[in-house]
Amino acid sequence: QVQLVESGGGVVQPGGSLRLSCAASGFTFSSYGMHWVRQAPGKGLEWVAFIRYDGSNKYYADSVKGRFTISRDNSKNTLYLQMNSLRAEDTAVYYCAKDHQHSSSWPQSLGPWGQGTLVTVSS
Amino acid sequence: DIQMTQSPSSLSASVGDRVTITCQASQDISNYLNWYQQKPGKAPKLLIYDASNLETGVPSRFSGSGSGTDFTFTISSLQPEDIATYYCQQYDNLPLAFGQGTKVEIK
Repeated sequence: QVQLVESGGGVVQPGGSLRLSCAASGFTFSSYGMHWVRQAPGKGLEWVAFIRYDGSNKYYADSVKGRFTISRDNSKNTLYLQMNSLRAEDTAVYYCAKDHQHSSSWPQSLGPWGQGTLVTVSS
Repeated sequence: DIQMTQSPSSLSASVGDRVTITCQASQDISNYLNWYQQKPGKAPKLLIYDASNLETGVPSRFSGSGSGTDFTFTISSLQPEDIATYYCQQYDNLPLAFGQGTKVEIK
């Protein structure tokens, strides 16, 4: 079955950097677009970024554009999110999610999701 | 950006009740609308995609309808395990946008 396991979260000071990873198994990783979505404590869901199955196209929310970079290594079945210039408002649980559509070039439906990793930006 | 507005924000219903949640988009999104369930402390789960298609393995008491700007999500007979927050999400345009969520509780 599909399994997505995020790692790399933790506490970081404002202005700092962090790299999240999402290890995928149970499906052909190289055939699916992937997403990052975040959820601030007690708040709703916010889409962060999407990367096409082959890594050739990437899309970002305005709130993270220029600071975050989504990437993937299809040889390692792993998705990444490099987060730079972190702010207090980036504090959230970060989820990776598989796009529902095979070979999707455009972000569509998200499922399944990983269990999430908590990022706390605080001095 | 497209805004998604869900109502109500929360509801309380009895086991066996029919529960309906609405989601309104700020512009026409055709049927590019999904519904998710998030149980407390857990990751979201896709229930309905393309407005009305039931995801594999999801109980048939869940259903979705609508197109354009107005959408409806229904639980035909509320079960105790359905206690969760439900979100709609559009993918007609970037950025992908979620509704603010509807928290469903048992009366």
